[in-house]
Amino acid sequence: DAKTTQPPSMDCAEGRAANLPCNHSTISGNEYVYWYRQIHSQGPQYIIHGLKNNETNEMASLIITEDRKSSTLILPHATLRDTAVYYCIVSWLLYNQGGKLIFGQGTELSVKP
Amino acid sequence: GAVVSQHPSRVICKSGTSVKIECRSLDFQATTMFWYRQFPKQSLMLMATSNEGSKATYEQGVEKDKFLINHASLTLSTLTVTSAHPEDSSFYICSARDLGPPYEQYFGPGTRLTVT
Repeated sequence: DAKTTQPPSMDCAEGRAANLPCNHSTISGNEYVYWYRQIHSQGPQYIIHGLKNNETNEMASLIITEDRKSSTLILPHATLRDTAVYYCIVSWLLYNQGGKLIFGQGTELSVKP
Repeated sequence: GAVVSQHPSRVICKSGTSVKIECRSLDFQATTMFWYRQFPKQSLMLMATSNEGSKATYEQGVEKDKFLINHASLTLSTLTVTSAHPEDSSFYICSARDLGPPYEQYFGPGTRLTVT
């Protein structure tokens, strides 16, 4: 599984968009980009995933660069409840029984009033 | 969405005893379950992959005789920490992979183990 690099921490003002970057320069063609978050002392929560097209759901948007070497998770209107550690993971998990999710250090997002 | 439960949510045990943690997929079947542990201020570390009806596959550096994994059915995997010591105190998280495509993975809420 390809490795990812994320900034260790970020701050965001409540109500503003939070843009969390992730570098995955060694990603291979069949690997997906996943984003999970973990609120303190809870299990990880799935946010979104994508292969090469931009994706949007009710929680967030995922922008993947054309060369797929980096991506950005966008929380359009951050709230205090979005304060969490955000993990970007690259894996060939989907459609392949052999894949697994390996967590890096993630980005600790603090949403401030 | 799919739900994964863990039991117990918190457990305190004495050094030298064994403790069992259960992981259940409540509304789907999972041939594969994963066990992670997480120390304070650190990321999740994959310990092992548990496959229904077969032996678990442990990640490098994880003692298979200390962390016994059983995956006897498509909805239940157990992790037994044998002869627990204070350094085994951690947050243990399981996840379960859906039986069919696209094989999505869902996480449990975690179990806080404290060994005194």
